[in-house]
Amino acid sequence: EDQVTQSPEALRLQEGESSSLNCSYTVSGLRGLFWYRQDPGKGPEFLFTLYSAGEEKEKERLKATLTKKESFLHITAPKPEDSATYLCAVPSRRYSGNTPLVFGKGTRLSVIA
Amino acid sequence: DVKVTQSSRYLVKRTGEKVFLECVQDMDHENMFWYRQDPGLGLRLIYFSYDVKMKEKGDIPEGYSVSREKKERFSLILESASTNQTSMYLCASSFEGNTEAFFGQGTRLTVV
Repeated sequence: EDQVTQSPEALRLQEGESSSLNCSYTVSGLRGLFWYRQDPGKGPEFLFTLYSAGEEKEKERLKATLTKKESFLHITAPKPEDSATYLCAVPSRRYSGNTPLVFGKGTRLSVIA
Repeated sequence: DVKVTQSSRYLVKRTGEKVFLECVQDMDHENMFWYRQDPGLGLRLIYFSYDVKMKEKGDIPEGYSVSREKKERFSLILESASTNQTSMYLCASSFEGNTEAFFGQGTRLTVV
């Protein structure tokens, strides 16, 4: 069964303290891994797509990397405005044709000034 | 910019009512999805559609139905609302294939 596991569940950082969030998956034949940011009470906002091991994508203080079994979201010198829940997702093989995403439960990041 | 618009941000309904949640996207996406999000359970897929008049069940379709009469619009229907359907409902859309999905702002539904 397709599964996405994120760790840690919650992370508290001081402003400027770099760290990484982890997303591991068990889907066979990965066809993309997606990172989203979600602010409280809002819908997820798309950040990155990674398709193959070794691929990296960057946006401001965020960098996403992908291996054959997991992805990392590295946050460099975070600011309070980076506080949010970060979700990762993969297309599920449970469904035919065009495939919906199955999501991890997210990492809730708090950055303290 | 992709825009996915859900008809309501907040909704309060009574047990047994029939509830309609509407979603419209402006990017000519083939795929549309309905998820619900609950604390500790994450996002769970209710239904999705990859073409007009086509629909497929997701992981938790019981108590729900959907309608897609036009490509840009995907409706979620709660046939007879129950308190355990109190949740955040999220609509999303994407192009066909393994592409990113874009989400609406969500509808927080409370059933009393």
